[in-house]
Amino acid sequence: GAVVSQHPSWVICKSGTSVKIECRSLDFQATTMFWYRQFPKQSLMLMATSNEGSKATYEQGVEKDKFLINHASLTLSTLTVTSAHPEDSSFYICSAPQGKVPYNEQFFGPGTRLTVL
Amino acid sequence: SQKIEQNSEALNIQEGKTATLTCNYTNYSPAYLQWYRQDPGRGPVFLLLIRENEKEKRKERLKVTFDTTLKQSLFHITASQPADSATYLCALDNGGGSYIPTFGRGTSLIVHP
Repeated sequence: GAVVSQHPSWVICKSGTSVKIECRSLDFQATTMFWYRQFPKQSLMLMATSNEGSKATYEQGVEKDKFLINHASLTLSTLTVTSAHPEDSSFYICSAPQGKVPYNEQFFGPGTRLTVL
Repeated sequence: SQKIEQNSEALNIQEGKTATLTCNYTNYSPAYLQWYRQDPGRGPVFLLLIRENEKEKRKERLKVTFDTTLKQSLFHITASQPADSATYLCALDNGGGSYIPTFGRGTSLIVHP
């Protein structure tokens, strides 16, 4: 199956700093990638849809100036959490559907655990 | 309001038995429904997709049913094994051509040897 990687797998940072998370599709091209956030024992909450070569589409309630998304190539999307605060501590997961709409399945990255002190 | 409901209580079963997990939804008209497995600290892994015009789908020991009248999907694992212990998430799209899935909270399955 298709493989999606994320880097880093975990990060601890001080409040006020920015953190960049990378999501790569390793063996397929992804014009679209999704970024999710998951709090303990909660469902995956879609944050934004990352589109290659264009602006990301953010879900309601997600601050686009705080969560910067860049989809610069067909295999890489980045999420930057700017001026991170303790409430941003969460598990961030990206995914990429293979093929075009309607998607049959999504391939998820292993996730990034962000802890903001 | 829209809801996707999965049993929040863990399902404990004995090895060899069939595990049945439920996903109910409200105020959705999904074109499809998916089931994923998630292990602690990991991203979800796709298991099965069933479309609105399908009643049942099977893959090895897995079986999914989809009842759009009851607005419910059942996920079965036959001959369960301790290695099947994980959280199982259902996800469905909102119809209307978006095809972006929304996830339930998941149900934890624990298979005892």
